[in-house]
Amino acid sequence: SQQGEEDPQALSIQEGENATMNCSYKTSINNLQWYRQNSGRGLVHLILIRSNEREKHSGRLRVTLDTSKKSSSLLITASRAADTASYFCATRGSGNTPLVFGKGTRLSVIA
Amino acid sequence: KAGVTQTPRYLIKTRGQQVTLSCSPISGHRSVSWYQQTPGQGLQFLFEYFSETQRNKGNFPGRFSGRQFSNSRSEMNVSTLELGDSALYLCASSVQNQETQYFGPGTRLLVL
Repeated sequence: SQQGEEDPQALSIQEGENATMNCSYKTSINNLQWYRQNSGRGLVHLILIRSNEREKHSGRLRVTLDTSKKSSSLLITASRAADTASYFCATRGSGNTPLVFGKGTRLSVIA
Repeated sequence: KAGVTQTPRYLIKTRGQQVTLSCSPISGHRSVSWYQQTPGQGLQFLFEYFSETQRNKGNFPGRFSGRQFSNSRSEMNVSTLELGDSALYLCASSVQNQETQYFGPGTRLLVL
């Protein structure tokens, strides 16, 4: 069963705009991760944020985590056509629990 | 370091057959996880191995099995294939299971 639920399911923006994707989850977590997948290929890890962190940056990516609301957001600034992909959040509970993925947000960046 | 490799990349089988997929993790990674990805169900966790031991198993029937060898390479097997087993099967490795997972390109299985 999916732990994370991304919102929106699909997003279409112009190049240069910012893209924001949200993820909500149900149970307590040890960390939350965001991955990107280009059409039909393997996933690429973008960023990991631990449960005791509130915000993290990596290049044009900014991730926030609100454990009280059980939600996270991924912001991609100054988007490029190459950012077109599906983005997944994945949560990891404590102990030896598996990484559980949401269904993803499909981002289209139009040049 | 070389990335995660999966073989074969593409596979066509018929119902009732069985299939074995292989995954070679990044050197030094001892944890290997398998996922099934379909348009309808998204990414579903299959199993996770660490040092040759299955540490977690997802909600899949017993037709799905796996193993990990002493060199951390892993295989998964699906017996008595069904049409619904058509999917992209992804393998991921990590140093330890709590951290970042590195994914292979996947094996696309089509069951006819």
